Amino acid sequence: AQSVTQLDSQVPVFEEAPVELRCNYSSSVSVYLFWYVQYPNQGLQLLLKYLSGSTLVKGINGFEAEFNKSQTSFHLRKPSVHISDTAEYFCAVSAPGANNLFFGTGTRLTVIP
Amino acid sequence: DGGITQSPKYLFRKEGQNVTLSCEQNLNHDAMYWYRQDPGQGLRLIYYSQIVNDFQKGDIAEGYSVSREKKESFPLTVTSAQKNPTAFYLCASSIRGVAGNTEAFFGQGTRLTVV
Repeated sequence: AQSVTQLDSQVPVFEEAPVELRCNYSSSVSVYLFWYVQYPNQGLQLLLKYLSGSTLVKGINGFEAEFNKSQTSFHLRKPSVHISDTAEYFCAVSAPGANNLFFGTGTRLTVIP
Repeated sequence: DGGITQSPKYLFRKEGQNVTLSCEQNLNHDAMYWYRQDPGQGLRLIYYSQIVNDFQKGDIAEGYSVSREKKESFPLTVTSAQKNPTAFYLCASSIRGVAGNTEAFFGQGTRLTVV
């Protein structure tokens, strides 16, 4: 089975500063990895996904993530955040043959003016 | 516009009542899912359906029921057997099962409160 750990429940950061949201996964097989963003009282929107190939994945809104197999990590980064990036971010994992996405507990990113 | 529509956005239920949450998609997706979201716990899978007239229990199916009579619709009933139903419920769909390089698309959610 797969599982995801997001160690940081809350991350405050000043506007225009860089940010990294951490995600570690556990799986005995190859994985697919996703980052979703959720704005208050809304559904989830896909930011980016890693399926195979290049370990550096670029997504929407200037976000990127790097798949590190040896460290079983898929951290999300943005070089300069905006107020509009304030939201909750979820890392998720799936695997070939699985019928489900396994989500982490989320990281609330708060951008401070 | 294609998408997933959940209704209602807010729902209040008295203890002991059954309530049904609606989820409709016009994306022509085969697979549909129901997740429950609680603060600090992320999303947990309640039920999923890979095809019409077929559905499978997820991790927390007790106290819930679903049907999949049409490709576009996947309603969730929260029964009186669900002891702690207050939560945010999210419906999702994907072209096929999440296995493989498919993306899940989410509705805007229904917030259920027991009063």
